[in-house]
Amino acid sequence: QVQLVQSGAEVKKPGSSVKVSCKASGGTFSSYAISWVRQAPGQGLEWMGGIIPIFGTANYAQKFQGRVTITADESTSTAYMELSSLRSEDTAVYYCARGPTIFGVVREGWFDPWGQGTLVTVSS
Amino acid sequence: QSALTQPASVSGSPGQSITISCTGTSSDVGGYNYVSWYQQHPGKAPKLMIYDVSKRPSGVSNRFSGSKSGNTASLTISGLQAEDEADYYCSSYTSSSTWVFGGGTKLTVL
Repeated sequence: QVQLVQSGAEVKKPGSSVKVSCKASGGTFSSYAISWVRQAPGQGLEWMGGIIPIFGTANYAQKFQGRVTITADESTSTAYMELSSLRSEDTAVYYCARGPTIFGVVREGWFDPWGQGTLVTVSS
Repeated sequence: QSALTQPASVSGSPGQSITISCTGTSSDVGGYNYVSWYQQHPGKAPKLMIYDVSKRPSGVSNRFSGSKSGNTASLTISGLQAEDEADYYCSSYTSSSTWVFGGGTKLTVL
């Protein structure tokens, strides 16, 4: 069973950047997407983007285009999400999740499993 | 891409059934069978409950079921139990090759 373990909580200043990691274990890493989903305090889930490591090209939600960079390191089975130009509204729990993976014959349109979440606090 | 529309809250008594709706457009919910549902307890990561509109992952109770009609998907929980009290989110693939979540529904078991 795949398990995803994320890096620890971060406190950042407005205007700075944050990079969160997500290490996978127990399953195939390269052929399945890793997505990043955030949840602001008391709010709902918001898909930010995802990457299929074997392809290396990320797909982003329009809202985050130009401000988020998602990468993956196949050698360590780790995905990363870097968010720049941070503002207070970016304070949220950031989750990674396996999937969804829609390419070729793979048709897995769901997010499972999820990492434990990483709290990013943006405050001056 | 706007969030899918879910009721903010629903409630039911133990043993009853409830249904949560998830309304989108023909460019997301109505256009694809990649609709999934997630349960989230306070302070926890979301958990997959339904995928591909109506399929249940191994280990999820058969009290949970999903369906879709047109641009609206639904999650039904039968035989409500106290532990079902949580937030529920739907998700769908979109014609822009992106993914969108619903705004979430808080389920209260009375």
